[in-house]
Amino acid sequence: KNEVEQSPQNLTAQEGEFITINCSYSVGISALHWLQQHPGGGIVSLFMLSSGKKKHGRLIATINIQEKHSSLHITASHPRDSAVYICALLSGNQFYFGTGTSLTVIP
Amino acid sequence: NAGVTQTPKFRILKIGQSMTLQCTQDMNHNYMYWYRQDPGMGLKLIYYSVGAGITDKGEVPNGYNVSRSTTEDFPLRLELAAPSQTSVYFCASSSATANYGYTFGSGTRLTVV
Repeated sequence: KNEVEQSPQNLTAQEGEFITINCSYSVGISALHWLQQHPGGGIVSLFMLSSGKKKHGRLIATINIQEKHSSLHITASHPRDSAVYICALLSGNQFYFGTGTSLTVIP
Repeated sequence: NAGVTQTPKFRILKIGQSMTLQCTQDMNHNYMYWYRQDPGMGLKLIYYSVGAGITDKGEVPNGYNVSRSTTEDFPLRLELAAPSQTSVYFCASSSATANYGYTFGSGTRLTVV
């Protein structure tokens, strides 16, 4: 049983497209993170959410606590957005990670 | 600020050898974590620490040990390396209870042959 499910697993988009990556979870959480892992392997924390919506540049993250669902949106996608996007949960003292969504943006 | 610094970046070990993966952060974060990431799999928590002198097991602690003698350093020790420990290891830190975001190190790619 996976506490965190991400979809899709793989996504290919044309430059400029609007992209949505979804994260569903089955545990109560105190925070949800969206992480970005670059092809070189480095991991960057994009957002931390406990409610509502956050925006940073072309990235938007939303969370619906009642539905146990979060989405990461990328507007006007660019090839440099190509990376693996990981949903991570903090539930009590436990940490749960999705297996990631591999995004490729084609010029 | 350097953030989270991990060393080495790459290492090949023979079965049964020991090594220590170093992790240091200069952000005065209380919380530090060690994760492993196997190919095609999500991150799994090995050990974490909520402050100097305090450590606790994560999801996959077997075969590893940690210590936290200072706020800055959180080394991960492999005593008897096994092929199953071939993975990429990430150290991370955060303030409070990760509600303020993680900072990750650049990773250590370990191969056990």
